[in-house]
Parts: sequence; structure tokens; C-alpha cells
Amino acid sequence: EDQVTQSPEALRLQEGESSSLNCSYTVSGLRGLFWYRQDPGKGPEFLFTLYSAGEEKEKERLKATLTKKESFLHITAPKPEDSATYLCAVQAMWRSGAGSYQLTFGKGTKLSVIP
Amino acid sequence: NAGVTQTPKFQVLKTGQSMTLQCAQDMNHEYMSWYRQDPGMGLRLIHYSVGAGITDQGEVPNGYNVSRSTTEDFPLRLLSAAPSQTSVYFCASRTGANSPLHFGNGTRLTVT
Repeated sequence: EDQVTQSPEALRLQEGESSSLNCSYTVSGLRGLFWYRQDPGKGPEFLFTLYSAGEEKEKERLKATLTKKESFLHITAPKPEDSATYLCAVQAMWRSGAGSYQLTFGKGTKLSVIP
Repeated sequence: NAGVTQTPKFQVLKTGQSMTLQCAQDMNHEYMSWYRQDPGMGLRLIHYSVGAGITDQGEVPNGYNVSRSTTEDFPLRLLSAAPSQTSVYFCASRTGANSPLHFGNGTRLTVT
């Protein structure tokens, strides 16, 4: 069974205080790892896809990295508008056919950036 | 480009009532899915479809029905609503197995 654990559950940062969010996963062959941002009352918004250990992706103040067991979302000099819940999801290689489309999501990390 | 559109945004039902949550996408995506999101539980897959006429069950399918008669639409039917179905429901679509999911903005359902 695929498992995704995100930590911490909640994180409060001062504006400009850099930090990292963690996504640990257990999957039989990783097909892809996805990061999403979710604002209150909205659907998740896609940020990054990572496919193999060592891969990194960047977008503005966010950088996602991937190892064989976990992924980190690094937030550099965050601003209040970065406040949101960040979700991590994995897609497994072992699933075949229509099942290959399925994602398993973590419970998310709620980030609050205080001015 | 509207993306994934869900209606209604809010709904209150009484136990035993039935209803249909609507989902439409205008991106010609072959894959569509329904998730529910509950506090402390994360997103859980209810049903999914890889094309018109093809549907399958996800992690929590009991109490829900789906059908896919067109590429664009993927309605979710609650047959007899129960308080345990109080949740926020998200529809999502993607173009292929390695592409990201695109989500709608959700339907908040309360069953009393």
C-alpha cells in the first residue's frame, strides 16, 4: 500500500524566515511525486512534478527536491501570500492500466507566514 | 479557458435524500476523478474514469455512483445521503498518466 506522510502538520514562519516542508513516502516504484498548493475554499493548484532521486524544481521562492524516501519543499524568504496548505502526492509504478493514473495524497502542511 | 467547473459550490441535504454533484472540464482530458477531503484525512479517491464509458472505484466508493457518457462531464451521484458523507468534494482531471491533476474549486456538502 502506498503511504505519504507530511510534516509538520502546521508551520508558522515570520516573513523572510526560510524553512522546509517534508514529504516522506513509501511506494513500490515511484512513477512521480507531485506538490500542490491549496488556498482556503479552493481546489489544489499544481506546483511541481519530480520523477527521480536527485531531481530539483524551482518556482519563485519555492524549490522542491527528491530523494529515494522523501521530498522537501524549501521556502526561501517567504511572504504572507505564501500562506496556504501544501499537499504532496505520489504515483506508483506498480499500478497498471487505469489504476496507473491514481495518486495517493498526504494530509498536508498548513503554512502561515506572519508579516 | 474555464478548466474544471464544479456545481453547486454549497449544498445541504437531509439524511436519505439523493443528489448529483456536477463536474465539467473543457481541456479534453481523458482522465477524470472525484475526491473527498475531510479534516485530518487528506484527499481520498472515490471514483475515476479514463474515458467515456469507463469508470472504476477508488478508495472510498460506497454510497456513490458515477457515469461518463461524454469526455467533458463526470457527475457524482449520492444515492441516499448520510451524515458521514458531509465533506468537501473535488473533481479533478488530467490529460495522461504522467501529467498533473487539475482540480475544480469543490462542492461543500452538509448532510443533516
